[in-house]
Amino acid sequence: GQSLEQPSEVTAVEGAIVQINCTYQTSGFYGLSWYQQHDGGAPTFLSYNALDGLEETGRFSSFLSRSDSYGYLLLQELQMKDSASYFCAVKGAAGNKLTFGGGTRVLVKP
Amino acid sequence: DTGVSQDPRHKITKRGQNVTFRCDPISEHNRLYWYRQTLGQGPEFLTYFQNEAQLEKSRLLSDRFSAERPKGSFSTLEIQRTEQGDSAMYLCASSYGQGGYNEQFFGPGTRLTVL
Repeated sequence: GQSLEQPSEVTAVEGAIVQINCTYQTSGFYGLSWYQQHDGGAPTFLSYNALDGLEETGRFSSFLSRSDSYGYLLLQELQMKDSASYFCAVKGAAGNKLTFGGGTRVLVKP
Repeated sequence: DTGVSQDPRHKITKRGQNVTFRCDPISEHNRLYWYRQTLGQGPEFLTYFQNEAQLEKSRLLSDRFSAERPKGSFSTLEIQRTEQGDSAMYLCASSYGQGGYNEQFFGPGTRLTVL
């Protein structure tokens, strides 16, 4: 089976930096994805890491350590529009399904 | 807009009734996925198609649930004899590719309420 752990909620002010950690236990591992979901909206893809290291995409960066079964999403220069839920998801060896974590709700305050 | 579309967006039904949802993936996406999401939780995988073939089904998908993708384009998810525990957001996603990782694009979902 697969399980992912991430904090349930994070609060920060505009302009700050937030790091959302994700630890996983999987029977197979292809890579770690991150999705953003605003209230009432669809999950939207942010990033994917298959290899160890840091991937940077604008204000968002994602990191993976396969040996530690750990990854994180870094949100920089927080904006009010970044208030949303963020999910890590594992693509396992069996099939193409994604197994999602419980999500981290990020609240950005002025 | 050529994103993933789902119909209906909301469905209210009484316990015991059957419901059917439709998903239209992004054109030429060969893979289609169904997920279920309850409030405050991440999406849970239900089933996956590559073209018209249903390649994987979750244990969450009881025999009351059936999904089809008859021509490898749109897909339907039917729930028979609905129960209150079926109340959730049903999300469809699609992707293109033959192997490795392929970004999944999600639709807006169908919110099901079973009374």
